[in-house]
This record gives sequence, structure tokens and C-alpha cells, in this order.
Amino acid sequence: DARVTQTPRHKVTEMGQEVTMRCQPILGHNTVFWYRQTMMQGLELLAYFRNRAPLDDSGMPKDRFSAEMPDATLATLKIQPSEPRDSAVYFCASGLVGSPLHFGNGTRLTVT
Amino acid sequence: QKEVEQDPGPLSVPEGAIVSLNCTYSNSAFQYFMWYRQYSRKGPELLMYTYSSGNKEDGRFTAQVDKSSKYISLFIRDSQPSDSATYLCAMRESNDYKLSFGAGTTVTVRA
Repeated sequence: DARVTQTPRHKVTEMGQEVTMRCQPILGHNTVFWYRQTMMQGLELLAYFRNRAPLDDSGMPKDRFSAEMPDATLATLKIQPSEPRDSAVYFCASGLVGSPLHFGNGTRLTVT
Repeated sequence: QKEVEQDPGPLSVPEGAIVSLNCTYSNSAFQYFMWYRQYSRKGPELLMYTYSSGNKEDGRFTAQVDKSSKYISLFIRDSQPSDSATYLCAMRESNDYKLSFGAGTTVTVRA
């Protein structure tokens, strides 16, 4: 059963530190999404890639967040510098164009 | 007003009961409708995927879409304690990749 793999599962860091979250999409999927989930806002779209090209990152705070896909098997989301308000669960999801998304189990980030 | 409205609950039912969940939406261009189940500390898992109006059944789960009323439902028959989770509705337009999610309804099935 193919799965989206995210690492690390948990991350606790101090304000100002750099955070890197990684995602391995399901083999063969050509779309990758990054979402952030909080109690207050629910699921928010941060970035979208198709065939490794970034098509939409309008949901990300540009000054501190960056998302990349160095190759088809790896997507990264970086926060630098991190702030307490970035504390949330970050999900990666992958799929084929026009098909439903499959989510990973998320990275739970706590910034103190 | 949010594009997709979903009552967050919580909803508590006895084992064996029918669970009824619903979402309303405002964007008439939505064509694809999904229900995801999310267990605690896990990612959302796709349960049902439907296109346009109508019903779809999969085992104990039935999804209904009424586009004229902008209303979708998920029914869980013979509910089990293992159905205890948060259920999220999601939807998108035909030519758009963006999903609009509901807030999620937390369901507890009591043994």
C-alpha cells in the first residue's frame, strides 16, 4: 500500500531556528501539495507543485517559508527563521492531476 | 463567510447507530466532492470521491451530493468504535487543483 512519507514526525525548536520538513511522494504521482493544519484555521494550502515545478505558493509567508522539489522523490518545506505562530501540523499530499490527494501523516512542529 | 461550512460537532453516537455528516458550500462551480477521515495524529485518508450530483455507496458509507442545494452528506451505517475520527469534506472546481476543506466534524462512537 503506497504511502506519502514525511519526516520528521515531530519537531520542537526554538524561535529563530531553521526548520526543514521532508516529503517523499507516492511513486508516479506528479502533483505535490503542502498543507498546514491548525485548530483555528483548519487545513490551509501553502504550496503546489506539478511535475516538480512550483505553480502556486501564494499561501506561504514568502519572507520565511520556501518550498522546493529537488527531484521527483523529494519535496522540502523550509522555515527560516521560525516563529511560535508557525506551530502547527504540516502535511504533504501527492496525487495525479485530476485525481484525489493522498496525505502523509504530517510533521508536528512546535516553536518555543 | 467560509466557502465550505461544516459543523465541527462533536458528535457522539452509540455503536450501531447511523452517523450523518454534512457540509454546505457557496461556490456553484464545485464539481468534485470528497470525504476524508482523519484519526488522531494521522493524515487525512480519502473515504469517498464523487463527481457532480448523486449518490455513491461503498460498504457502510454512503455519500450524497445535492448541487441544487449546495449540500453534501456522508452517512455511516452500523457505526463502529473504529469509526471514531474527524471527518472532513473537501471539494474543488473542474479545472482547479485547489481543494476547499470544511473544518471537520469530530465523531465518537461509544461501545
